[in-house]
Amino acid sequence: GENVEQHPSTLSVQEGDSAVIKCTYSDSASNYFPWYKQELGKRPQLIIDIRSNVGEKKDQRIAVTLNKTAKHFSLHITETQPEDSAVYFCAASSSYSSASKIIFGSGTRLSIRP
Amino acid sequence: ETGVTQTPRHLVMGMTNKKSLKCEQHLGHNAMYWYKQSAKKPLELMFVYNFKEQTENNSVPSRFSPECPNSSHLFLHLHTLQPEDSALYLCASSREEGAPPDIQYFGAGTRLSVL
Repeated sequence: GENVEQHPSTLSVQEGDSAVIKCTYSDSASNYFPWYKQELGKRPQLIIDIRSNVGEKKDQRIAVTLNKTAKHFSLHITETQPEDSAVYFCAASSSYSSASKIIFGSGTRLSIRP
Repeated sequence: ETGVTQTPRHLVMGMTNKKSLKCEQHLGHNAMYWYKQSAKKPLELMFVYNFKEQTENNSVPSRFSPECPNSSHLFLHLHTLQPEDSALYLCASSREEGAPPDIQYFGAGTRLSVL
């Protein structure tokens, strides 16, 4: 089955700098890659996603890149702000006939230093 | 709020108790999910229901028993749990489990402590 690995497990960056979180997946059939943000004590919420027919997607300060050949994808946050502090989860999903499920990475705890 | 409501938010139970977690979604979705989130572990998928039918049981012990009476409600019945079952249990829903994969909306979770 699918296996998603996420690195680093913790990341601390200076406010205003960029943060990059990387994930690899094992199932070449995976075609959907969402990123979720979970603030302390709150539910995971989707922040951006990418499907396998594109290599990059951007939404304001957040961007995701996908390398299908290498089976890895990354989250890039530019001009980081204190409210970016949270745990970020990558995930991979594929669809086989009528079934699909999302497999999550282990999470990255991002801290933004003032 | 994401339209997915979980109750209770916190639950403390003994190993011999029987309790149930409830999830309700008001998004018109047809797929619902139970996840377990432990400290320093990834979100672990437990069960998936699509149009009220269970389509995934991720090797979950039988002391966890899901129930999905309709597409809007999902329950997780708990009995004779172990301390290691203490975790945050998250419910999620999506339009439909299938192609293409769709966004999942999470509830706030039930923080479970087993004594």
